[in-house]
Amino acid sequence: AQSVTQLDSQVPVFEEAPVELRCNYSSSVSVYLFWYVQYPNQGLQLLLKYLSGSTLVKGINGFEAEFNKSQTSFHLRKPSVHISDTAEYFCAVSESGYSTLTFGKGTMLLVSP
Amino acid sequence: DAGVIQSPRHEVTEMGQEVTLRCKPISGHNSLFWYRQTMMRGLELLIYFNNNVPIDDSGMPEDRFSAKMPNASFSTLKIQPSEPRDSAVYFCASTADRGSTDTQYFGPGTRLTVL
Repeated sequence: AQSVTQLDSQVPVFEEAPVELRCNYSSSVSVYLFWYVQYPNQGLQLLLKYLSGSTLVKGINGFEAEFNKSQTSFHLRKPSVHISDTAEYFCAVSESGYSTLTFGKGTMLLVSP
Repeated sequence: DAGVIQSPRHEVTEMGQEVTLRCKPISGHNSLFWYRQTMMRGLELLIYFNNNVPIDDSGMPEDRFSAKMPNASFSTLKIQPSEPRDSAVYFCASTADRGSTDTQYFGPGTRLTVL
């Protein structure tokens, strides 16, 4: 069975600093990887996804993530964060042939001035 | 497009009462998912429909929970009787197809409080 581990429950950073949110997964088959963002009192929305091809995936709002198969990781990065990036970020995995997603517990990104 | 619509946005009820949550998926989407989000357990999949048929309900916690999708544009999640431990935010999401690569589009959620 697939699983997702987000190592940090909370990441505080200052505005304009770089940030990396970590995600590791486990699966015995080929996977597809996703990052979703949840702003306060809203539903989740897709930031980016890795399906195949280039391991570096660019998403909305200046975020990018890199798929590393040997380390079973899919870390999310942004070179310079804004106050408006304060939100909860969820890593998720699906397996080829299955339609459901397994989500990590989420990482709360707190950006302060 | 209006996106996924959920109602009500907030529900406060007393233990033992019946609660019905409603969802309208994006027009043309044929897969629908119900999730529950709590601080302790994170985001859990409760049930998944494809073309109005329940495909995977292994996440439904117990018999007090039931879900229906009578047509392509409407689904309900019912809790009867409700208990305080059911307090959570319930999300509905839809996708255009049933593939594992598809983006799920989430509604704004229903915040349920059971007193």
